[in-house]
Amino acid sequence: QKEVEQDPGPLSVPEGAIVSLNCTYSNSAFQYFMWYRQYSRKGPELLMYTYSSGNKEDGRFTAQVDKSSKYISLFIRDSQPSDSATYLCAMSVSVNKFYFGSGTKLNVKP
Amino acid sequence: GAVVSQHPSRVICKSGTSVKIECRSLDFQATTMFWYRQFPKKSLMLMATSNEGSKATYEQGVEKDKFLINHASLTLSTLTVTSAHPEDSSFYICSARELTRAANEQFFGPGTRLTVL
Repeated sequence: QKEVEQDPGPLSVPEGAIVSLNCTYSNSAFQYFMWYRQYSRKGPELLMYTYSSGNKEDGRFTAQVDKSSKYISLFIRDSQPSDSATYLCAMSVSVNKFYFGSGTKLNVKP
Repeated sequence: GAVVSQHPSRVICKSGTSVKIECRSLDFQATTMFWYRQFPKKSLMLMATSNEGSKATYEQGVEKDKFLINHASLTLSTLTVTSAHPEDSSFYICSARELTRAANEQFFGPGTRLTVL
């Protein structure tokens, strides 16, 4: 079983839609949870960073962590064509080793 | 702030040659740098962790003699792929952790696409 599972998509939505991206994981020791956005042929860019459980909001982005279900989510409100990218979840037990999902490709249509 | 650069952005080389990739933190000091490898439609796989002035720590299954990592300063780490073969073709990405930021924040470079003919 993979440490982190993420639906690869692609996920196609109309502009303005609410997008929900999810990851599940198997290691209950994970306590740091991150979401990255990666444009084609570019390095990942940190979007959200959450420690332990709970919600975190930053502009149009909301990250949720449910440790009891081993499930994390990223919501994007009022999605824009510029949000079209691959979204990677990442998590870790300690500060050094990150475990990444395989990424979900999102396409926001104008 | 927190910009990480990589050079070159892409490189094509012949089988058997060595290739060096540089990772630089442009506007901060990076106590720790990480090297990842990414296959198409696959997740990033951590290859090694390097701390300035000390030997890199390699992940299980990564050949340390093949992937030489040097972290000579707080702003520069290099990955040398020695005697490259076609199976080494991949997207290599580095990341850096800034001394003053939350310990778990990593900032990624734009990646280097290596193609070995």
